[in-house]
Amino acid sequence: GAGVSQSPSNKVTEKGKDVELRCDPISGHTALYWYRQSLGQGLEFLIYFQGNSAPDKSGLPSDRFSAERTGGSVSTLTIQRTQQEDSAVYLCASSPRAGAGETQYFGPGTRLLVL
Amino acid sequence: AQSVTQLDSQVPVFEEAPVELRCNYSSSVSVYLFWYVQYPNQGLQLLLKYLSGSTLVESINGFEAEFNKSQTSFHLRKPSVHISDTAEYFCAVRKNQAGTALIFGKGTTLSVSS
Repeated sequence: GAGVSQSPSNKVTEKGKDVELRCDPISGHTALYWYRQSLGQGLEFLIYFQGNSAPDKSGLPSDRFSAERTGGSVSTLTIQRTQQEDSAVYLCASSPRAGAGETQYFGPGTRLLVL
Repeated sequence: AQSVTQLDSQVPVFEEAPVELRCNYSSSVSVYLFWYVQYPNQGLQLLLKYLSGSTLVESINGFEAEFNKSQTSFHLRKPSVHISDTAEYFCAVRKNQAGTALIFGKGTTLSVSS
């Protein structure tokens, strides 16, 4: 079946602009996670959704970052007033349930470059 | 808090040689352990995971990892690697609690040459 999809696959933006990154999880998966993969920091957790609510936003690096999920499905990560240090690959993952032993299925990522 | 250390950032090996990718973790609570693999130009895929039971877990492509609680390690091994195993390998831990995030190590790049 279809896996996790993300769009766009690549995004180049100018410093100070806002960007929106989209994630379509596997159908029926209730848990959704955003991670960021950068050269200096490796893979970092950003935010977790269970259904449409976000019980854990502890990984969001600043208030310029926000995310929402609608209909228990699609999620959008928004970065306002982008900075060069926001350049990274943003990964979305979903799992059938939120259990700790559940496998997280990752999308291909959105590569963001802030000039 | 949990943390993961992957001791080797790069591991070059020849085809058909054995390999071990090392992973140590730190946690004050019970955790689950995972290895993910990222092939060139592809997304992260689960390779194997340890939740409970037998401390030796295996993947479908010949990799295995052993959970060692006393040494807080979860090293990944393969007795004979192939060119196609060239990839970046990430060790991760997750607190044994619903809705928690994966905490990743910085990754080990395995390069297999002929």
